[in-house]
Amino acid sequence: EVQLVESGGGLVQPGGSLRLSCAASGFTFGTYWMTWVRQAPGKGLEWVANIQQDGSETYYVDSVKGRFTISRDNAKHSVYLQMNSLRVEDTAVYFCARHKGYCSGDNCSPTDYWGQGTLVTVSS
Amino acid sequence: DIQMTQSPSSLSASVGDRVTVTCRASQNIRSFLNWYQQRPGKAPKLLIYAASSLQSGVPSRFSGRESGTDFTLTISSLQPEDSATYYCQQTYNSPPTFGQGTNVEI
Repeated sequence: EVQLVESGGGLVQPGGSLRLSCAASGFTFGTYWMTWVRQAPGKGLEWVANIQQDGSETYYVDSVKGRFTISRDNAKHSVYLQMNSLRVEDTAVYFCARHKGYCSGDNCSPTDYWGQGTLVTVSS
Repeated sequence: DIQMTQSPSSLSASVGDRVTVTCRASQNIRSFLNWYQQRPGKAPKLLIYAASSLQSGVPSRFSGRESGTDFTLTISSLQPEDSATYYCQQTYNSPPTFGQGTNVEI
């Protein structure tokens, strides 16, 4: 059974940092693109970042470029999101998800498995 | 970025009704259109991918169609467990973008 379990969320002050983790099981982790999607309270879904199977390619939404870093450790079956210079508007539930298939340049497959999410609150 | 516009933003229907949600892309996205269902407090669930392909394990009452830059999600016979918010998503161009969501009440 495919499982994705996020952790690392919490309350942080503006300008602070947080590292989210997503532990994967039930599939061959190193053969899938992985992604992070967030959802502000009461709002819709926003894609944040994704990472290629070996970590050599990463992509970000403009609003987090230069502040967030996605990475992965295939030996630990985990994907991470390092979040620096956090802003109030980064407050959201952060989901990790697995891409169903390939991502190639601009085109990407959908995400077929999602974790339950971890809440990040940025507030003074 | 490609804008995805969903309509309606919410709807109320009865068990057994046929329900249609529409999503319009701001430019050509070929068939790179996916539909997700999100129940309150839960993670999104993939329903339809590539505009009309049913994800494994999803009931056949869900279907998707495309017509140019317009895409529709149809629930042929609404069930109580279909009460949720539905999102379209384009994955043709980076960044992948979602519609604003359609809340379906029963």
